[in-house]
Amino acid sequence: GAGVSQSPSNKVTEKGKDVELRCDPISGHTALYWYRQSLGQGLEFLIYFQGNSAPDKSGLPSDRFSAERTGGSVSTLTIQRTQQEDSAVYLCASSLAPGVNYGYTFGSGTRLTVV
Amino acid sequence: KQEVTQIPAALSVPEGENLVLNCSFTDSAIYNLQWFRQDPGKGLTSLLLIQSSQREQTSGRLNASLDKSSGRSTLYIAASQPGDSATYLCAVIGTGNQFYFGTGTSLTVIP
Repeated sequence: GAGVSQSPSNKVTEKGKDVELRCDPISGHTALYWYRQSLGQGLEFLIYFQGNSAPDKSGLPSDRFSAERTGGSVSTLTIQRTQQEDSAVYLCASSLAPGVNYGYTFGSGTRLTVV
Repeated sequence: KQEVTQIPAALSVPEGENLVLNCSFTDSAIYNLQWFRQDPGKGLTSLLLIQSSQREQTSGRLNASLDKSSGRSTLYIAASQPGDSATYLCAVIGTGNQFYFGTGTSLTVIP
């Protein structure tokens, strides 16, 4: 597609439920990143994919968080047993390739509210 | 671990003023530095990308500079307009292919 698409744009869920957040990167982009932005905080790195593999999962805050990417395209971020502190905007970004010389394009995010 | 700091955290200027936003980073081993703007409730919009071998990039009224050795970047906005009001984020891309973001500068341009 023309840009990075994230769905849903907004999600309200009850504490303890599981949620899935989806990211459709720009076609042909091999690198994909997940970040989250809590209210009043900076952007926090979660996980990075190169193709379907995740060389860097260091940012996942707990084992309730997992992510996968299939076909080198769509990625899903899953949060199990959601907690109120999981409330944040979850942003996905993609790039033609990781590292040098390539900028990154961000989606408009999924605003997750855990009540 | 790379740390990125942006100063000031908030800035309010009258329309028409020129202004400078500052970004500093602790590890000079970076690939690129990218400036973004974020409007309330929206995602990030890329403004300028500076590769590590470059010293500046310009787009319209925006000019970004990079001094890797001192770990600094500035974003210069000329003749500010109310539509420039947003949060401006600086991000460095390190050798681990990871973005490190500053906490942003919230800019308000008063008509």
